[in-house]
Amino acid sequence: DAGVTQSPTHLIKTRGQHVTLRCSPISGHKSVSWYQQVLGQGPQFIFQYYEKEERGRGNFPDRFSARQFPNYSSELNVNALLLGDSALYLCASSPSRYPRETQYFGPGTRLLVL
Amino acid sequence: AQKVTQAQTEISVVEKEDVTLDCVYETRDTTYYLFWYKQPPSGELVFLIRRNSFDEQNEISGRYSWNFQKSTSSFNFTITASQVVDSAVYFCALNYGGSQGNLIFGKGTKLSVKP
Repeated sequence: DAGVTQSPTHLIKTRGQHVTLRCSPISGHKSVSWYQQVLGQGPQFIFQYYEKEERGRGNFPDRFSARQFPNYSSELNVNALLLGDSALYLCASSPSRYPRETQYFGPGTRLLVL
Repeated sequence: AQKVTQAQTEISVVEKEDVTLDCVYETRDTTYYLFWYKQPPSGELVFLIRRNSFDEQNEISGRYSWNFQKSTSSFNFTITASQVVDSAVYFCALNYGGSQGNLIFGKGTKLSVKP
């Protein structure tokens, strides 16, 4: 079975631009979570979506938004990019939204903001 | 507050040595879940193990073993007879009953295994 897929793998943007990252969960998984990982740190939670509704949000500004589609894939949008948004963005999927579920991660999208 | 501490930033060993990666967690919840993930240079987080707070049984999987002790709030990970392919960053993570479903990660331990 295919794992979590993310696109694109790498992205270079300039300050002030907008970016859209995409994620397809493991087949049968209905929950998608987004994490930001800056160099040398552990991933930080951004959003969780389940059944197309936002179920959780981390401590990130409103420039960050996301949505989930009927096929459970998801997009993460970041507006007005800052240099500090440069990071690895990880998507994870799980069967449901419950904490007991294991989250399986995709390969990530490396975003560089110049 | 919920928190995960991995005090070892970097560890370097020679192949075939045993190595233990430490993880200490903080949570007020009585129901919680602990995880270990491996992150090779490619960047993808690979799931290794999940442990429930009410199951203190230690686990062994091949060269990997995990020691969960609620009394010390620790969930340590040991690699026996390390190999070069074990070189990666290892993350301990916590999810708890009252969370929004998100994982709380430690800062990770970078393990380098030299031939």
